[in-house]
Amino acid sequence: EAQVTQNPRYLITVTGKKLTVTCSQNMNHEYMSWYRQDPGLGLRQIYYSMNVEVTDKGDVPEGYKVSRKEKRNFPLILESPSPNQTSLYFCASSGGSEQFFGPGTRLTVL
Amino acid sequence: KQEVTQIPAALSVPEGENLVLNCSFTDSAIYNLQWFRQDPGKGLTSLLLIQSSQREQTSGRLNASLDKSSGRSTLYIAASQPGDSATYLCAENTGNQFYFGTGTSLTVIP
Repeated sequence: EAQVTQNPRYLITVTGKKLTVTCSQNMNHEYMSWYRQDPGLGLRQIYYSMNVEVTDKGDVPEGYKVSRKEKRNFPLILESPSPNQTSLYFCASSGGSEQFFGPGTRLTVL
Repeated sequence: KQEVTQIPAALSVPEGENLVLNCSFTDSAIYNLQWFRQDPGKGLTSLLLIQSSQREQTSGRLNASLDKSSGRSTLYIAASQPGDSATYLCAENTGNQFYFGTGTSLTVIP
């Protein structure tokens, strides 16, 4: 089944404790992206990647890192999480037009 | 900075009614526009994708239109059903970045 998977689905952590949210797609898509969704603000793009080893900042990249070492994987790294990074995070991939989304990761930073 | 606006923010209709959701965008160099559905606490499900060269797309009871010159897209839902209750999001693709509206929350009353 064609899909985008994210792990973990739920995460509660404390300020400053490094974490990684994994994202994987099995559709051989070149484009992958991370978003955060906050009430009243909608979905905002954090980082995107046009292909392996190519990443670019979206609208809200501060406090996040990404890497794209393989086509299928695009992990999101929070080196020192803060409470304002509490949000619902989505990973997405695209083969050129349509975007497909993962199920989301609900992150709470205490 | 691209802005995507969705009006209304919330809509409540009786079952069986036809309805229109609106999406406005500021970038005339749009690559494509995608409509999504999001159920509470869930991920995004793609409904329709309209390429910049197209005027409309149809899938079942859904019809989406695109007018690049006016910066508008509409999602028409025919014969609404309670199962259509969800938040509907539009996303503008500028080629390498995606910009989302904040959505229209639809409630269809049985």
